[in-house]
Amino acid sequence: AQSVTQLDSQVPVFEEAPVELRCNYSSSVSVYLFWYVQYPNQGLQLLLKYLSGSTLVESINGFEAEFNKSQTSFHLRKPSVHISDTAEYFCAVGRTSYDKVIFGPGTSLSVIP
Amino acid sequence: DAGVTQSPTHLIKTRGQQVTLRCSPKSGHDTVSWYQQALGQGPQFIFQYYEEEERQRGNFPDRFSGHQFPNYSSELNVNALLLGDSALYLCASSRTGTVRGTEAFFGQGTRLTVV
Repeated sequence: AQSVTQLDSQVPVFEEAPVELRCNYSSSVSVYLFWYVQYPNQGLQLLLKYLSGSTLVESINGFEAEFNKSQTSFHLRKPSVHISDTAEYFCAVGRTSYDKVIFGPGTSLSVIP
Repeated sequence: DAGVTQSPTHLIKTRGQQVTLRCSPKSGHDTVSWYQQALGQGPQFIFQYYEEEERQRGNFPDRFSGHQFPNYSSELNVNALLLGDSALYLCASSRTGTVRGTEAFFGQGTRLTVV
């Protein structure tokens, strides 16, 4: 079975400051890793994914995450946040890219002007 | 591409009633999964349909059932509604296979309120 831990339930950060949202996972098999973002009153949007290959993955809006197999982590980072990044962020794992996704409890990112 | 579409967007039901939620997958996707997201929590997997059959199921009672049609669209049915069934119900579609582009895309969800 797989599980996901997101160590911070809420992360307040000032605009243009860097941010890291932490994610650790547990699994007895190899997994695929995902970060999803949920804006208020909306569904989930895939932010980035690790399927194979390079351990550093990037999204189109400046976020990046690094897969660390030894530490079973997949932390999300952004060097400079914007007000529009305020949202709920979910780390997730799956056995395959199309399989059921196991989500963490989420981290609420609040960007302060 | 319309992406994953869900209907209705909001729904209010009375305890004990039955409800049906609908989902149309993204073009090219053949697999549909349903999730329940309670307020302030991460989504919880309910079940997944592929080739019109339930392929996987999470830890939900039999009151939760589903169906997938030949055009890959899907329905989620919940019987004997409880107050605790109030949540955002999310549909995700994906494509079963080994090539890139198979990962799940989510719809906007149906907000179910049970009173």
